[in-house]
Amino acid sequence: ELKVEQNPLFLSMQEGKNYTIYCNYSTTSDRLYWYRQDPGKSLESLFVLLSNGAVKQEGRLMASLDTKARLSTLHITAAVHDLSATYFCAVDPNYGGATNKLIFGTGTLLAVQP
Amino acid sequence: NAGVTQTPKFRVLKTGQSMTLLCAQDMNHEYMYWYRQDPGMGLRLIHYSVGEGTTAKGEVPDGYNVSRLKKQNFLLGLESAAPSQTSVYFCASGFVTHLPGLASDTQYFGPGTRLTVL
Repeated sequence: ELKVEQNPLFLSMQEGKNYTIYCNYSTTSDRLYWYRQDPGKSLESLFVLLSNGAVKQEGRLMASLDTKARLSTLHITAAVHDLSATYFCAVDPNYGGATNKLIFGTGTLLAVQP
Repeated sequence: NAGVTQTPKFRVLKTGQSMTLLCAQDMNHEYMYWYRQDPGMGLRLIHYSVGEGTTAKGEVPDGYNVSRLKKQNFLLGLESAAPSQTSVYFCASGFVTHLPGLASDTQYFGPGTRLTVL
């Protein structure tokens, strides 16, 4: 059974600081997704990572995937208040061919303080 | 395009009542999904569909039924609601490319339905 673990579960950081959210998963997969959810809202797609070594960046967020370590990271650079949200990683458990049946992590609640 | 829409947005049921949640998408996606989101547990897949007329079970299917009579609609039914089904329900749609090495699209989520079962 595929398990997806995120840490930390809660992150309070100051504006301007850098930090990393980690997403570990328990079985082989080569498809990993990052989503953002604002309070009371739906999920918004941030990144799709489809191969070992994949790195994608959008603004102050950068995501990477290491399929051998079964690890993805979401790095936040010079945080701003607008980044405050819950961030989820999700993994497709089928290696080598997508099923798109995603298994989600429990989420990381990010609070950026002024 | 409206994307993915869900009806209703909020609902309160009594134990044992039944209801149907409607999801509609206008992106011509083959795949549709129903998730539930509970505090501290992320999203869990209830049922999904890979095309019109097909459905399959996800991680937590018990107590729910689904139907996909039209490509653009995916219905989630609760036949006899229980307090344990109090949750926020999200519908999503997407497509999958099965050729190795090609990009697999992400899923697009609806706004959610907040269901309380008393």
